[in-house]
Order: sequence, then C-alpha cells, then structure tokens
Amino acid sequence: SAVISQKPSRDICQRGTSLTIQCQVDSQVTMMFWYRQQPGQSLTLIATANQGSEATYESGFVIDKFPISRPNLTFSTLTVSNMSPEDSSIYLCSVERPGQGATDTQYFGPGTRLTVL
Amino acid sequence: AQKITQTQPGMFVQEKEAVTLDCTYDTSDPSYGLFWYKQPSSGEMIFLIYQGSYDQQNATEGRYSLNFQKARKSANLVISASQLGDSAMYFCAMTNTGGFKTIFGAGTRLFVKA
Repeated sequence: SAVISQKPSRDICQRGTSLTIQCQVDSQVTMMFWYRQQPGQSLTLIATANQGSEATYESGFVIDKFPISRPNLTFSTLTVSNMSPEDSSIYLCSVERPGQGATDTQYFGPGTRLTVL
Repeated sequence: AQKITQTQPGMFVQEKEAVTLDCTYDTSDPSYGLFWYKQPSSGEMIFLIYQGSYDQQNATEGRYSLNFQKARKSANLVISASQLGDSAMYFCAMTNTGGFKTIFGAGTRLFVKA
C-alpha cells in the first residue's frame, strides 16, 4: 500500500481566490494523480503529474485553472485558481503501487474538501 | 471504449446480513484489473479488493469477496455480516496493463440498518 497525506484536509474559500493543496507520499513514485469529486459524483481525473516534466491534463481541465507542481518524487501540489462555487469538491491525490496481479493498484490520500462561497 | 456501470444508486441492508453491490464493465483488452473502493463520509478512498482478469478464483479479503463472472463482464462486491461501519459509498473501478487510466463507476451508497 502507500501512505499519502494531504494538506489542508478542508477549507472554505471566497470566490476569486486560489488554494494550493499539498500531497506527500511515503516513498518515491514516478506518477502522481489528481482527481476531483464534485458533490454526489464519481471521481474525475484532472491530471497526471510526472517529476521533471509538465503535468498531463485531461479533457476539460487546463493548466491556468489547475496548475500543478512536482518538485520531487514524493511531493506534488495542485492549485485551484480563481475559484468559483462550482469548484466546491473533494480533491484527491493518488499514486500507483504494484498490485497482486498484472495491473497496479491506486491508493488515495485522505482528500481535501473545498467549499467556495 | 472502457466503461464501468453501477446501477444501484443506493442499497439498504440489515446489520449482520450479507449484501451484493453490482458492477458491470466493458473493455476490449484481455488483461485488466478490477477494484472496489469504499468512501466513508470523511471523503477518503479506501482500497478494498482486487481481481485480475486472468485470476481463476474469486478474490476475497476478510468480509469482502468479489464475484467475478468474466463472460458476463460483471464484478460484484459481496460484503458478508454487514456492520454499521460499512455504511459508505462504494466505487467499482477498472484499469488495464496498457497504461490506461483507472476509470470509476458512479458509485453505490450503502446504508446498514441496526
């Protein structure tokens, strides 16, 4: 498994401001993933963060809105910029670990619950 | 295209009884993995159980078992002897060995009644 921590665990922010979420992993990983979970919805992948290169964003997500940093192999940040109430979600970071079979297993951090007023 | 379907938005079960949460999937890849995650109200995603496409036996982890029917493309989660702490959202997910990203179903909210 993996031990993943996220900061902050929750926050309430004003419209138009930005919030940076931190994710720390207990050991080095090549890729880190950032997900968004809007209220009552499933998880949606925002981007994949590789150390030493630009993050790869999924359709519908752009770097200006969700800039990501990956300064080393155990740490990443996601910034939610110029927030609006529609950004109110749980944001989760995750990593992959070799699983019991041919595919890797994703493990998640505890999540950051963001409310935008 | 890969797809995960969970058709039960909500399920109720009496404490100490067993419950089955349904999951069907679609993929053209012969090698893939199926997962179940539990999400309590705190928001964290907890990995429960894994089933590989080539596994001959159904996966089990304590009170969790995965009823894998490959021909029907179903991977139902069975929770035995339900406990109040099992009340949560449950997500079925799939990935493959070709580097495809993990995809998640819509989730099923389980309510365990005392």
